[in-house]
Amino acid sequence: GQSLEQPSEVTAVEGAIVQINCTYQTSGFYGLSWYQQHDGGAPTFLSYNALDGLEETGRFSSFLSRSDSYGYLLLQELQMKDSASYFCAVVTGANNLFFGTGTRLTVIP
Amino acid sequence: NAGVTQTPKFRVLKTGQSMTLLCAQDMNHEYMYWYRQDPGMGLRLIHYSVGEGTTAKGEVPDGYNVSRLKKQNFLLGLESAAPSQTSVYFCASSLPGTSLYEQYFGPGTRLTVT
Repeated sequence: GQSLEQPSEVTAVEGAIVQINCTYQTSGFYGLSWYQQHDGGAPTFLSYNALDGLEETGRFSSFLSRSDSYGYLLLQELQMKDSASYFCAVVTGANNLFFGTGTRLTVIP
Repeated sequence: NAGVTQTPKFRVLKTGQSMTLLCAQDMNHEYMYWYRQDPGMGLRLIHYSVGEGTTAKGEVPDGYNVSRLKKQNFLLGLESAAPSQTSVYFCASSLPGTSLYEQYFGPGTRLTVT
């Protein structure tokens, strides 16, 4: 089976940096995806890591360590609009993604 | 390019009623998925399809059926709705194989079963 763990809530100050961690246990692993979901909205894709290391996309970066079964999403220069839920999801090779339960990020002034 | 669209956006059913949710995508994606999302929970996969005419069970398939008669459409049916099926339903599509890490989601259908 699969399991993913991520913190349920994180609060950070506007302009700061925040890291959202994700640890996983899966029977097969191809990579780790991150999605953002605003309240009442649909999930949208942010980033994907298939190999160890850091992937950077603008203010957002994502990191993967396959040996530690661990990844994180790093958000820099936080803006109020970054307040949302963030989900990690593993590609298990079984033709689908398995999602974590999400981290609710609140950005405060 | 509409992306992924879902019909209807909201629906209220009584226990025992049936309904069909329609998902359509115009990106020529091979793979399509139905998820449900409950408060404070992640997305749980109900059924998915890797191509026209093929479907497979996901994590929580009981009480649901699906059909993929055309590549662009994926239907989710509830034969006899139960209060436990009150949820937000999302459809998604993706390219095939390991490219499925990037899924495109529809706006969701909020279903309440009383």
